[in-house]
Amino acid sequence: KNEVEQSPQNLTAQEGEFITINCSYSVGISALHWLQQHPGGGIVSLFMLSSGKKKHGRLIATINIQEKHSSLHITASHPRDSAVYICAVLTYSARQLTFGSGTQLTVLP
Amino acid sequence: ETGVTQTPRHLVMGMTNKKSLKCEQHLGHNAMYWYKQSAKKPLELMFVYSLEERVENNSVPSRFSPECPNSSHLFLHLHTLQPEDSALYLCASSQDLDRVGYEQYFGPGTRLTVT
Repeated sequence: KNEVEQSPQNLTAQEGEFITINCSYSVGISALHWLQQHPGGGIVSLFMLSSGKKKHGRLIATINIQEKHSSLHITASHPRDSAVYICAVLTYSARQLTFGSGTQLTVLP
Repeated sequence: ETGVTQTPRHLVMGMTNKKSLKCEQHLGHNAMYWYKQSAKKPLELMFVYSLEERVENNSVPSRFSPECPNSSHLFLHLHTLQPEDSALYLCASSQDLDRVGYEQYFGPGTRLTVT
């Protein structure tokens, strides 16, 4: 069982819909990252958080340390948001990230 | 533009070939990483370098040999690879080792196909 579980694995939405992607982890962490990977492979870091909530444009990331859970929300989704969204955690003891399998998001016009 | 470049972007090689992947970061970072991304699998960390010293080697086969000549450049030397090594190889850098959650900046990746 992977230490980082994402749901759903695949998500198709209509343009304008509110989207939520979930990430659950089973170990103690010092930070959690949300990453975006577009077709072709390039990865962009969206958020890094260790508590509370962060917002950037239409993207919002929240984390609940007690419940070991984080969510990534996209408001007013757009076809250009179509990508794979990856959750990764930095555990207390490790100097490396552990990655989830990713959520493939497709936003239809 | 991420500030981390990788060459080549695509590589097809036979199992007896020797090739190298190159990564360069223009961000003044001290830590660099090699990741492997196989189809339908999570990103896997292969190697970590901090200030040109290798600090992590995640049980990677010896047919993969990293080299970090300076803090801006990272190479992955490949020899006698297997078809299952076909994957996207991603390089990343961060200000320092990701012990306190420094953001990692990724390159565009090299799509490797081993025939």
